[in-house]
Amino acid sequence: QKEVEQDPGPLSVPEGAIVSLNCTYSNSAFQYFMWYRQYSRKGPELLMYTYSSGNKEDGRFTAQVDKSSKYISLFIRDSQPSDSATYLCAMSGQAGTALIFGKGTTLSVSS
Amino acid sequence: SAVISQKPSRDICQRGTSLTIQCQVDSQVTMMFWYRQQPGQSLTLIATANQGSEATYESGFVIDKFPISRPNLTFSTLTVSNMSPEDSSIYLCSVGAGSGNTIYFGEGSWLTVV
Repeated sequence: QKEVEQDPGPLSVPEGAIVSLNCTYSNSAFQYFMWYRQYSRKGPELLMYTYSSGNKEDGRFTAQVDKSSKYISLFIRDSQPSDSATYLCAMSGQAGTALIFGKGTTLSVSS
Repeated sequence: SAVISQKPSRDICQRGTSLTIQCQVDSQVTMMFWYRQQPGQSLTLIATANQGSEATYESGFVIDKFPISRPNLTFSTLTVSNMSPEDSSIYLCSVGAGSGNTIYFGEGSWLTVV
């Protein structure tokens, strides 16, 4: 079993849809959870950063962490064509240490 | 946050040659990380580079193939040695910075080995 599992998609939605992206993990020591967005031929860009369980909202993006289920989610409201990218979940046991990444989910939002 | 510059941004390399990638950060950071992202794949950690000590390599990566330097708190290099087509990847530099030591990435160095 991989440490971090993420459905690679691809996921295609119409503009304005609510998108749900998910990852599961096996290591209960993970406490820091991140979502990165990566456009084609670009480096990963940090979207959301969450410590431990709970929700965090930033504009159209909401990150949820359920440590009891070892499950994290990223919701995108009112999705836009500019949201078309690969979304990577990542996590670590300590702040500032190397991250373990999921495979990434490729999202396409059509206008 | 941190601004991370990588050079070269892309290159086409001949089999058997070596290439050094540079990573410059706009602030002093303790830990720097080098990742590889093969085509269509996620990111795999190559090594962690701390200033003043030898880099720590992950399983499957060795110093002879991927020597790393970390001469100061804002700069690091990764060399990909004796390249083969299997080394064609994006190589990414990342650092921990800011509140919570959030991990930030450079734009990557896109290497194609022919």
